[in-house]
Amino acid sequence: DADVTQTPRNRITKTGKRIMLECSQTKGHDRMYWYRQDPGLGLRLIYYSFDVKDINKGEISDGYSVSRQAQAKFSLSLESAIPNQTALYFCATSEKGQLPSGANVLTFGAGSRLTVL
Amino acid sequence: AQKVTQAQTEISVVEKEDVTLDCVYETRDTTYYLFWYKQPPSGELVFLIRRNSFDEQNEISGRYSWNFQKSTSSFNFTITASQVVDSAVYFCALSGNSINTGTASKLTFGTGTRLQVTL
Repeated sequence: DADVTQTPRNRITKTGKRIMLECSQTKGHDRMYWYRQDPGLGLRLIYYSFDVKDINKGEISDGYSVSRQAQAKFSLSLESAIPNQTALYFCATSEKGQLPSGANVLTFGAGSRLTVL
Repeated sequence: AQKVTQAQTEISVVEKEDVTLDCVYETRDTTYYLFWYKQPPSGELVFLIRRNSFDEQNEISGRYSWNFQKSTSSFNFTITASQVVDSAVYFCALSGNSINTGTASKLTFGTGTRLQVTL
């Protein structure tokens, strides 16, 4: 099994629908992230969490919400999906560890491709 | 604010050619970390290398090498004798170390360079 598992891998939905993307990890990492990838724009951070009760906005959080239900689970919700949220979404994790925060390597899930019609 | 610029959108080379992917970064942090990730056609993101800002030694790993130059804020990636399996999108990324400015433990990615290696 993958260290970081994202479900669903592919989803097609309609404008206005509520969508949840789920992420679970078996690496025991404290930190979890949601990124969005769009062609020509690279990856942009949506939300991140350094611990179960910690939620922080990234650079493009509008239209999204997250929930850190447990150390191993971090879900991303689109309350009312719109077409410009069509993208590839990645969950990632990193350990708190002994290294300075910025040094930690992110482990990514396989991605969830979302299409909003 | 942090910024990573990968000016090369797409590069095409013939197998066995050497190719260099450019990465220029901006940060106000005095300590920072630079990364390269590979995204093959299958879509997953694969970590390639991390470099600390206080270590400017170049690094070589097989056919891959990295040139870090603080003076020009660049962290370039060279593939020697490219192979078809190197075809992928390559991302350069930057993470700071400042909790105050919010750069700690958050990767800022460049827009990626798509490398196409043909026979």
